[in-house]
Formats: sequence, structure tokens, C-alpha cells
Amino acid sequence: AQSVAQPEDQVNVAEGNPLTVKCTYSVSGNPYLFWYVQYPNRGLQFLLKYITGDNLVKGSYGFEAEFNKSQTSFHLKKPSALVSDSALYFCAVREGGSYIPTFGRGTSLIVHP
Amino acid sequence: NAGVTQTPKFQVLKTGQSMTLQCAQDMNHEYMSWYRQDPGMGLRLIHYSVGAGITDQGEVPNGYNVSRSTTEDFPLRLLSAAPSQTSVYFCASSSQGRQQETQYFGPGTRLLVL
Repeated sequence: AQSVAQPEDQVNVAEGNPLTVKCTYSVSGNPYLFWYVQYPNRGLQFLLKYITGDNLVKGSYGFEAEFNKSQTSFHLKKPSALVSDSALYFCAVREGGSYIPTFGRGTSLIVHP
Repeated sequence: NAGVTQTPKFQVLKTGQSMTLQCAQDMNHEYMSWYRQDPGMGLRLIHYSVGAGITDQGEVPNGYNVSRSTTEDFPLRLLSAAPSQTSVYFCASSSQGRQQETQYFGPGTRLLVL
């Protein structure tokens, strides 16, 4: 069975500082990994995904994520945070043979001016 | 393309009332799904469909029914609303066969059951 964990309910970072939002997963076989962002009163928007290939995946709005198979992690990163990055971030995983991904509980990112 | 649309945006129901949340997509996606979002619980899968005429239960299906008569539409029915169904509901769609395809989400329906 597929599962995903986001260990932090909230991450606080100062504008201009690097940010990391953590995600770990559990699957049978190879994982397909995703990050989505949700702004207030909006639906989720796709940020990036890992299917295969390079462990560092680049996505929208300057975000990137690092796939680490040995640690079963897929942490979201950005070198320099913006106040406008403040939102709710969801990690999702789908394993081979599964139709629908499983989402984490979400991490609230707050970027302080 | 309009993408994934949901109606209504907001609804207030009394306990015991029934209603249908509408979801439509114009991307010819085979997969569609319904989630509910509650504080601290993330997104939980209610029902999903892998094509017209085919539906299956997700993590929290009790109290909800779905049908998929066309590729475009995937309505969610609340049979007898309960306060525990107060939530924000999201519909999503994605392509079939390529599991790496991303999901496209609607804007959500905010439901309050009194």
C-alpha cells in the first residue's frame, strides 16, 4: 500500500532564506512522486513531479525537489523564499498499479518579511 | 479549456437533506476523483472513477454516492447530510495509462451542514 508523511504541520522561514518542506513515502515498487501547492480558497496546483531519472527535479516558481531512494524522501526546496510562497504544500505518491495518488496531510509554509 | 469545474462554490444544508455536488472536466480525462479536505487531515479520497461506468470507493466513502455516465461528468451525492460532512470538497481528473500524469483540481465546494 502507498503512503506518504509530511512530518511538519508548519514551516516558518524568513524571506530570502532557503526553505525545505519535508516528505517521506512508502510504496511497493517504484514511486511516482508529486508536490502540489494550495493558496487560500483555491484548488491544488501542480508544482513538480519525479518519475525517473535525475534525483533533483525542477518545477514551477523556482521550486525543486530532491528524490532520495535510500531515505524514501522527496523534500521540496527553494534557494530563496518569497512572502508570496506562503501557502499549503502537499506531497503525493502513487505506486505502480495504483490509479489514484495518496496525499500527505499538508505543510503550511509561512514566509516572514 | 475550462479545466475542472465544480458547482456550487458554497452550500449550506440542514441535517438530513440531500444534494449533489457537480464536477465536470473538458480535457477528456479518464480518471476522476473526489476528495474532502479537513483541517489537520489533508486530502482524503472519497470515491474515484477510471472511466465511464466504472467507480470505486476510496478511503472515506460512507454517506456518499457517485456515478459516471459520461467521461466529462462525475457528480457526488450526499444521501442524508450530517454535520460530520461539513468540509471542502475537491474534484480532480487525470489521464489514463500514464501514471506519471498529474492531477488537475477544481476550485472546490465549501459545504456547511447544520
